[in-house]
Amino acid sequence: GAGVSQTPSNKVTEKGKYVELRCDPISGHTALYWYRQSLGQGPEFLIYFQGTGAADDSGLPNDRFFAVRPEGSVSTLKIQRTERGDSAVYLCASSVRGGDRGGELFFGEGSRLTVL
Amino acid sequence: RKEVEQDPGPFNVPEGATVAFNCTYSNSASQSFFWYRQDCRKEPKLLMSVYSSGNEDGRFTAQLNRASQYISLLIRDSKLSDSATYLCVVIRNTDKLIFGTGTRLQVFP
Repeated sequence: GAGVSQTPSNKVTEKGKYVELRCDPISGHTALYWYRQSLGQGPEFLIYFQGTGAADDSGLPNDRFFAVRPEGSVSTLKIQRTERGDSAVYLCASSVRGGDRGGELFFGEGSRLTVL
Repeated sequence: RKEVEQDPGPFNVPEGATVAFNCTYSNSASQSFFWYRQDCRKEPKLLMSVYSSGNEDGRFTAQLNRASQYISLLIRDSKLSDSATYLCVVIRNTDKLIFGTGTRLQVFP
């Protein structure tokens, strides 16, 4: 389809394991965002890419979290030594240019991460 | 204090009612404002932008009060299909979108 695609849709892992979550944005969208959302909360900003570079990574909670977008398209969010508190839905969104200049963010359906 | 605050609700209203939500933001440098809608276990989707002069889209009206740092969303003639969580979104000058917790609306027959 033409929308934002995220894989896996569900991931169950054990505490201490490494996890990768993938986001395939809408073709031609230069801006890509990662958010995470816990039950009953709004999406919490993690990181924003403009092209290949991380324009703002101030939302990454600690150095266990890392994200890349090497070719300015697909992005991978990497979580090392997962903890139970990392359990959430990880949402990816893309935009034509950027939230303010491009206006609308288009979200994927999310990757639900459960850390046991 | 969170940068964007909303009453989580739920707001339970009958069909046909008018309902209003407010959202306050703490950073006066905030530049752009939006309302997103999120259905249960679905991704957020843009409902409407919020302009300084206020704007209307069918049954939905959004307003911005910069002096008091709040935005509002008014829904007239509520439909069952309006049941969802409404997320207030604020952007500063860095293109980072900050979401509120969301206000849950439940419209009943």
